[in-house]
Amino acid sequence: EAGVTQSPTHLIKTRGQQATLRCSSISGHTSVYWYQQALGLGLQFLLWYDEGEERNRGNFPPRFSGRQFPNYSSELNVNALELEDSALYLCASSFLQGVSEAFFGQGTRLTVV
Amino acid sequence: DQQVKQNSPSLSVQEGRISILNCDYTNSMFDYFLWYKKYPAEGPTFLISISSIKDKNEDGRFTVFLNKSAKHLSLHIVPSQPGDSAVYFCAASAKGNTPLVFGKGTRLSVIA
Repeated sequence: EAGVTQSPTHLIKTRGQQATLRCSSISGHTSVYWYQQALGLGLQFLLWYDEGEERNRGNFPPRFSGRQFPNYSSELNVNALELEDSALYLCASSFLQGVSEAFFGQGTRLTVV
Repeated sequence: DQQVKQNSPSLSVQEGRISILNCDYTNSMFDYFLWYKKYPAEGPTFLISISSIKDKNEDGRFTVFLNKSAKHLSLHIVPSQPGDSAVYFCAASAKGNTPLVFGKGTRLSVIA
């Protein structure tokens, strides 16, 4: 069974541009989570989608947004990129939030120059 | 306000000895706790979990202990192997619309 896959693995953008990151969840998993891991920091929660709806959002500005598609895959959009948005963006999926583990993809390394 | 804290950024252990990684939490609503292992350039990999109704869960060389009164959990790795060298993240969740909350991680180095 395929795990969580993210694309692209690396992305280089210029300040002010928009970035789109994609995530395919594990079959049967309805929840998708996005986390940001900046250099030297832990995993900061960004967004949680379940059954196509946004369930929770972390302490990030509105220029971080996303959506979940009917097949439960997800997309993270970051508008008006800033240098400090450079980080590893991790997507995870799970079957039941709170009672089962989340499985992570390998991440997308976003570099803003 | 950091709800999950891993106060040791790094830990070095000799091969064959026990590794003990610690984690403290502040939110009494957390009822499910997990440990993840992360190698460079890879996503975190689930290692072991424990529900708040238990105080110990064991899986091979890995054991997680939960002390609810102290809001503290620990991961024991026995015996430690060089392949265990990675960053270990503690995570916690609560029922309801709350995501997994992660600590900042502890970098474990197992020296041969």
